Amino acid sequence: GIQVEQSPPDLILQEGANSTLRCNFSDSVNNLQWFHQNPWGQLINLFYIPSGTKQNGRLSATTVATERYSLLYISSSQTTDSGVYFCAVGGNYGGSQGNLIFGKGTKLSVKP
Amino acid sequence: DGGITQSPKYLFRKEGQNVTLSCEQNLNHDAMYWYRQDPGQGLRLIYYSQIVNDFQKGDIAEGYSVSREKKESFPLTVTSAQKNPTAFYLCASSMGQGNEQFFGPGTRLTVL
Repeated sequence: GIQVEQSPPDLILQEGANSTLRCNFSDSVNNLQWFHQNPWGQLINLFYIPSGTKQNGRLSATTVATERYSLLYISSSQTTDSGVYFCAVGGNYGGSQGNLIFGKGTKLSVKP
Repeated sequence: DGGITQSPKYLFRKEGQNVTLSCEQNLNHDAMYWYRQDPGQGLRLIYYSQIVNDFQKGDIAEGYSVSREKKESFPLTVTSAQKNPTAFYLCASSMGQGNEQFFGPGTRLTVL
């Protein structure tokens, strides 16, 4: 099945710093989502981005589907950005068409 | 408010008992999903349903059962056959399979 790899696994930043999180996937996709999991476990939708570039405030994301990777940019990080960031992809894989396959996440800690 | 609700938030169960987790959505979504998350890991798909009265096994369906009698509801039963049921369970929904998925707040199940 499709493999989803996220890097780095852990990231520690000082408040105000910028960061880039990467998601590599092993097959073509028709769905790619970025999520932020807060300390209470809630998954918050950041981007639905199977291709192209999107921006939302201090966050932006780019997916290059032909090269099978996506990047999540966080600028001017804040302590509330701490948590785990997940990339999840979906495609036409046998009987599981469209279902999401999750990476293991990047754990971000922003220090004041 | 539109959204996905899960109950209970925390659940404790003795070994050998079945337990049912509730998931309700008022987003008028056709597709619903159940995922399991273990500590430090990404999410894995248990079951999914594209439409009322139909559901399919995901990657880790053994020891679980579901029903989809109403569009709004997709309960998950963790049976005594599930060998390692202690985990965080998340329910999601989307307009259709392959569309953006939205998640509920989750249920933490602990088997004593």
